[in-house]
Amino acid sequence: RKEVEQDPGPFNVPEGATVAFNCTYSNSASQSFFWYRQDCRKEPKLLMSVYSSGNEDGRFTAQLNRASQYISLLIRDSKLSDSATYLCVVNVYGQNFVFGPGTRLSVLP
Amino acid sequence: GAVVSQHPSRVICKSGTSVKIECRSLDFQATTMFWYRQFPKQSLMLMATSNEGSKATYEQGVEKDKFLINHASLTLSTLTVTSAHPEDSSFYICSAGPPGLAGGSYNEQFFGPGTRLTVL
Repeated sequence: RKEVEQDPGPFNVPEGATVAFNCTYSNSASQSFFWYRQDCRKEPKLLMSVYSSGNEDGRFTAQLNRASQYISLLIRDSKLSDSATYLCVVNVYGQNFVFGPGTRLSVLP
Repeated sequence: GAVVSQHPSRVICKSGTSVKIECRSLDFQATTMFWYRQFPKQSLMLMATSNEGSKATYEQGVEKDKFLINHASLTLSTLTVTSAHPEDSSFYICSAGPPGLAGGSYNEQFFGPGTRLTVL
């Protein structure tokens, strides 16, 4: 089983749609969780950290369920500019970051 | 957020040559930097952890004699691909991120812009 797994995608959604991505991780000692966004042929950039209580940043909402070892990202009112690959990243403090395979999103006009 | 730079951004070389890639943290000191490789349509795969003043830690399956890492200062790590072959063609990305950086998320990693290596 891979350490971090994500919905395979791709997700093709119309502008304005709401889309949700799921991520599961296998290491119960994981302490930090992030969603990164990667545009084609570019480096990953932090979208948001994921906190135990859940957190929201504008149209983006991230949730963490430690018991189920599950992370989610919800994008509301999707824009064309949201088209990218979304990477779930998990870290045990002091150890390396583990990236999920990514979920590709295409927002269509 | 913090800034990590990489140089060069793109390199094309002949098979058998060596290529050096630099990763710099511009506004913070990084005792640890990470080197990743990403093949087309695949996720980032950690190659090695670069530790300032000591030997790098390589992931399983990564040849340490082929991918030489030097972390000589708190702001610079270099990755040298020795005797490069076409199968080494990839997108190489470094990251760094000290814990407790003011304004940054806990344990956040900042990525360099990447180096696209093409070996002919």
